[in-house]
Order: sequence, then structure tokens, then C-alpha cells
Amino acid sequence: GENVEQHPSTLSVQEGDSAVIKCTYSDSASNYFPWYKQELGKRPQLIIDIRSNVGEKKDQRIAVTLNKTAKHFSLHITETQPEDSAVYFCAASKGSGGSYIPTFGRGTSLIVHP
Amino acid sequence: DGGITQSPKYLFRKEGQNVTLSCEQNLNHDAMYWYRQDPGQGLRLIYYSQIVNDFQKGDIAEGYSVSREKKESFPLTVTSAQKNPTAFYLCASSIESALGYTFGSGTRLTVV
Repeated sequence: GENVEQHPSTLSVQEGDSAVIKCTYSDSASNYFPWYKQELGKRPQLIIDIRSNVGEKKDQRIAVTLNKTAKHFSLHITETQPEDSAVYFCAASKGSGGSYIPTFGRGTSLIVHP
Repeated sequence: DGGITQSPKYLFRKEGQNVTLSCEQNLNHDAMYWYRQDPGQGLRLIYYSQIVNDFQKGDIAEGYSVSREKKESFPLTVTSAQKNPTAFYLCASSIESALGYTFGSGTRLTVV
């Protein structure tokens, strides 16, 4: 089955710095890679995703890059703000039409210091 | 509440008791899922259902049971066979052809 490794487990940055979270996956057939943000005590929410036919996707201060050859993808947050503090989960999945079941990484706790 | 509601938010169980966690969605989503979240463990899949009256085991199904009698509802029962049930439980749903989940707000179960 799929195995997703996520690093680092904790990331501490100063407000305004950039933050990068990296994930690797094992199944070369995986073709969809979402990222979720979970604030303390709240539900995970999808913040950005990328499909295997795209190498990079941006949405304001966040971006995701995908390297299919190396089987890794990364979340980039620029100009971090205290409200970016949360746990971030990456995931990898394959299939469509109802067979989409993602495998999640263990999460990265991002702390942004004012 | 995002169209998917979990109740209760907090639940306490005595050892040896079964408890049922509720998950209801009004998003008309075909698929529903249950995850368990432990610190440092990420999200682990317990059960999922892609259609009414059908469900499949996930990675950690032992000690849990589910039913899917209605499209809107996917309750999870934590049985006495689950040796370490204290955790945060998340329900999610998705449209069959769409990618990406909508999560519920979770139930925190504590065994006392």
C-alpha cells in the first residue's frame, strides 16, 4: 500500500519568514495530493491540492510543488502570519470515481512567532 | 457547520461499554469515512462507505463497527473490543467524483 512520510514534525518560524513542509510517497500510481490545515481543536480543512499532471500550484501565499520522478511534494507558505499556526497534513491518493482513499502523513505542527 | 455534523463533541465511556458516535451530512455526498486521530499519528482510516448499505474496513477496523442505512448517516460504534479507544474521531464525506474531503468537527472520546 501507499506510505506517506512527512517532515518536519514541528516547524517554528518567525512571522514574515517562509515555511516549507515536505512529503514523500511510495506508490508511483498516486495522482492526487491534497494538503489540509487543522487549527487547534478544529476540523481539518483542505487548503490546496495538486494533481500529477501539474508541477506547481499557487494560491496567494501558499503553493505546492510536485516532483513525480522523486515522488515528493512540498507545501510552501510565504510571509507567514500567526494565524498560519496549525497542524498541516499532506496526503496521497490514486484512482477516481469513488475509489479515492488518501493516505495521510503524520502532520507538521507549524508555529509562527509574532 | 459545514454540512457535516458529528455528535457529541465530547464523550466519556467506562471500560467494557460500547458507545456510538454520530455523523450526519446534508451535502448529498456519496462517500463517508471515519478516521481516528492520535497525537503524532496523523489520520488513520477506520471504515469507509461509498454507497448506502455497503462499507469497507480501513487500516484499523478492529474493535469498531459501522452501518450505512441512509445516505446522510454513518454512525461509528466503538466496542469493548477496542483496547485503546481514547482518541479524537473524525468523520468525513466526499462526492464520488470529487477529490478532497469535508470533515466534521470531531468527537473526543475518553475512557474513564
